[in-house]
Amino acid sequence: EAQVTQNPRYLITVTGKKLTVTCSQNMNHEYMSWYRQDPGLGLRQIYYSMNVEVTDKGDVPEGYKVSRKEKRNFPLILESPSPNQTSLYFCASSPGLAIHEQYFGPGTRLTVT
Amino acid sequence: DQQVKQNSPSLSVQEGRISILNCDYTNSMFDYFLWYKKYPAEGPTFLISISSIKDKNEDGRFTVFLNKSAKHLSLHIVPSQPGDSAVYFCAASEDFGNEKLTFGTGTRLTIIP
Repeated sequence: EAQVTQNPRYLITVTGKKLTVTCSQNMNHEYMSWYRQDPGLGLRQIYYSMNVEVTDKGDVPEGYKVSRKEKRNFPLILESPSPNQTSLYFCASSPGLAIHEQYFGPGTRLTVT
Repeated sequence: DQQVKQNSPSLSVQEGRISILNCDYTNSMFDYFLWYKKYPAEGPTFLISISSIKDKNEDGRFTVFLNKSAKHLSLHIVPSQPGDSAVYFCAASEDFGNEKLTFGTGTRLTIIP
């Protein structure tokens, strides 16, 4: 089944404790992206990757890191999480090549206390 | 600065009637538009799209209308069904070769049986 998976689905952590949210897709997609969803703000892009070893900042990249060592994986790293990073996070992928429809993972709800 | 705006946070419609969801944008460089549907505890799923060379695109019960001069698009659902109850996000992209999507804040649609 074609899908985007994220782990963990739920995470409660404390300020400053490094964490990684994994994202994997099995569709051989070129493009991958991370979003956060906050009430009243919709979905905002954090980082995106056009291909392996090619990443770039989205609209709200502060406090986040990403890497794209393999085509299928695009982990989101919070080196020193803060309470304002409490949010619902979505990973997405698309074939690229000007195909705009993105496929989303199920989401990761992160709470930083 | 919110470049894609959905001014109605919520909308209630009787089953069988037409649902109309609206979206306005400010960036004149946007030339491809999409609608996503999101159920609770799931990621957004692609619904329908339209490029700026068209003013209408239809897929079954869903029709998207684009008015470029007014920088406005709308999603019509006819007839509305209970399974249509979800949050709907409008999204836009700047050019055909750019996969970056800018999302609106979403409209929660509730279909009343």
